[in-house]
Amino acid sequence: DTGVSQDPRHKITKRGQNVTFRCDPISEHNRLYWYRQTLGQGPEFLTYFQNEAQLEKSRLLSDRFSAERPKGSFSTLEIQRTEQGDSAMYLCASSLDMEGSGNTIYFGEGSWLTVV
Amino acid sequence: AQSVTQLGSHVSVSEGALVLLRCNYSSSVPPYLFWYVQYPNQGLQLLLKYTSAATLVKGINGFEAEFKKSETSFHLTKPSAHMSDAAEYFCAVSFYGNNRLAFGKGNQVVVIP
Repeated sequence: DTGVSQDPRHKITKRGQNVTFRCDPISEHNRLYWYRQTLGQGPEFLTYFQNEAQLEKSRLLSDRFSAERPKGSFSTLEIQRTEQGDSAMYLCASSLDMEGSGNTIYFGEGSWLTVV
Repeated sequence: AQSVTQLGSHVSVSEGALVLLRCNYSSSVPPYLFWYVQYPNQGLQLLLKYTSAATLVKGINGFEAEFKKSETSFHLTKPSAHMSDAAEYFCAVSFYGNNRLAFGKGNQVVVIP
């Protein structure tokens, strides 16, 4: 069990550029989540996948954001035409969906984005 | 809608003293409750969780939390603070049928030698 891994860990980009983050979940986990965390705040939910299906998207996920999980394994989060307000840490997480809820969600180390 | 309240963004505690972090939730259905810890520039690590079994939950690193339905609370405690406990702590809630976590704003814990 290598845990949830994210790449890159840090990204500095100019406003207007596109960026893409990659997440590799824990291998047997069928659920994958993206959260965003800004300084001094708790993580905020963006979206989640059950296998390859994107089942829920937060209103925080504007049209400039797109997430994919093409084969139900790794996922990418792309931000187009970045704005300074996109500067944050993007956290990926995964869990094994079991009956009911309360499943433990395991987080990666996060990808820091700075838009200058 | 479910939500979590953590009061006091910064908490200072002397080494060896009791650590108490308060968490109150708002949920119209029975909740699942979690405490996560975040060290600088790292992701979140699960400390403990409540999923309707025992109301007193023991976690890692000597932490425990008690679910009190009447008070809608899930406060985190540790009897004796250690320097390594300096980190940010988040309370989170979810409920049956929805794995989405709603987080509080967090408590930054500073341990004073």
